[in-house]
Amino acid sequence: NAGVTQTPKFRILKIGQSMTLQCAQDMNHNYMYWYRQDPGMGLKLIYYSVGAGITDKGEVPNGYNVSRSTTEDFPLRLELAAPSQTSVYFCASRHTDTGELFFGEGSRLTVL
Amino acid sequence: RKEVEQDPGPFNVPEGATVAFNCTYSNSASQSFFWYRQDCRKEPKLLMSVYSSGNEDGRFTAQLNRASQYISLLIRDSKLSDSATYLCVVNLPYNFNKFYFGSGTKLNVKP
Repeated sequence: NAGVTQTPKFRILKIGQSMTLQCAQDMNHNYMYWYRQDPGMGLKLIYYSVGAGITDKGEVPNGYNVSRSTTEDFPLRLELAAPSQTSVYFCASRHTDTGELFFGEGSRLTVL
Repeated sequence: RKEVEQDPGPFNVPEGATVAFNCTYSNSASQSFFWYRQDCRKEPKLLMSVYSSGNEDGRFTAQLNRASQYISLLIRDSKLSDSATYLCVVNLPYNFNKFYFGSGTKLNVKP
């Protein structure tokens, strides 16, 4: 099992550029999440999904969009990148019974 | 007010020491509680869930105090490999799909 796979691991963007962070899980989990973590801070929820075709906003959704066309994939789209979006982004899926969150290795994004 | 608050530390302890962290939560109706471990520049990983009656996993003991709205993590016989940041996570009752993370407590275990 690969678990949760995120790509890319590192990316530098210029202000105003757009990009998509990819996330895939092979555990057949319905619930998936995108978090961002700024230095010395906890994880902030950006968007989450309870299943294919269903997404909802978290605490800090502005500047981001998501889609969930399949159970496996949950990409995060950054439109018009801003320096405030410099962060580490973690994708996670949740085990239905135990509630345990499984995280990807993270995507480190710098916006200059 | 933050949903979940933790002392950021760092807690610097010698090998073999016992160390305890607390985490307070603001919503008295919170349902589920967890401790995650995060190594430097790595993803968080579940250390243990926290049950109402308290639970133990080897050298780690987790407790829940609903009256005072905090959870605790006790680490006995600290190892160098325990050095990490420990994240407190709470699941809020009105949306079981959302988890709120504390900012973490950093532990440094010294030889």
